Amino acid sequence: QVQLHQWGTGLLKPSETLSLTCAVYGGPFNAYHWTWIRQSPGKGLEWIGDINHRGSRSYNPSVRGRITISVDTSENQVSLTLTSVTAADTAVYYCASSRFFFEYWGQGTLVSVSS
Amino acid sequence: QSVLTQPPSVSGAPGQRVTISCTGSTSNIGAGYDVHWYQQLPGTAPKLLIYLNTNRPPGVPDRFSGSKSGTSASLAISGLQAEDEGDYYCQSHDTSVSGEVFGGGTKLTVL
Repeated sequence: QVQLHQWGTGLLKPSETLSLTCAVYGGPFNAYHWTWIRQSPGKGLEWIGDINHRGSRSYNPSVRGRITISVDTSENQVSLTLTSVTAADTAVYYCASSRFFFEYWGQGTLVSVSS
Repeated sequence: QSVLTQPPSVSGAPGQRVTISCTGSTSNIGAGYDVHWYQQLPGTAPKLLIYLNTNRPPGVPDRFSGSKSGTSASLAISGLQAEDEGDYYCQSHDTSVSGEVFGGGTKLTVL
């Protein structure tokens, strides 16, 4: 059974950089793409990007230019960096495994951006 | 505004059957991409409910079923139970985003 555990900074000021990490346990790391999805308060889900074990990335145009997703195959970890955050980036951020659909999810990390 | 359109809410009495629609376009569902469904109970992460249009992961009751036709898909829930209350999201791939898109979500209320 694949389990995902994520962590990172929960409170940021505008213009700062969001940084989250997701560790993958119990599964074939190389068998999946690894995805970041966010959910703004009271709103729906938004795919923001993904990466495979080779480092091939796709990003949502809504965050392209500010986002970097990286992978550490030696630690089975995936990281998300989002620069120049604003209040619009306030959301619960989830990491998830992907094979066209999102089978396994992390517990979610609330990131709040406020001055 | 979401790329995939879902009704904001549906409701039904215990034991009844409800359906949730997911309408897309020729850049996603209509282009032949599969549709997947997620259930999000209050305060929890989404959970995969239906994948590749009609398939249930292990542990998902057969009260949940999915279908797809043309530019739309549907999730049906029969034998409604109080524990089914929550939000439901559809998801597919979209060529204009070159990535994944979700519906806006449907809140299910069991009366």
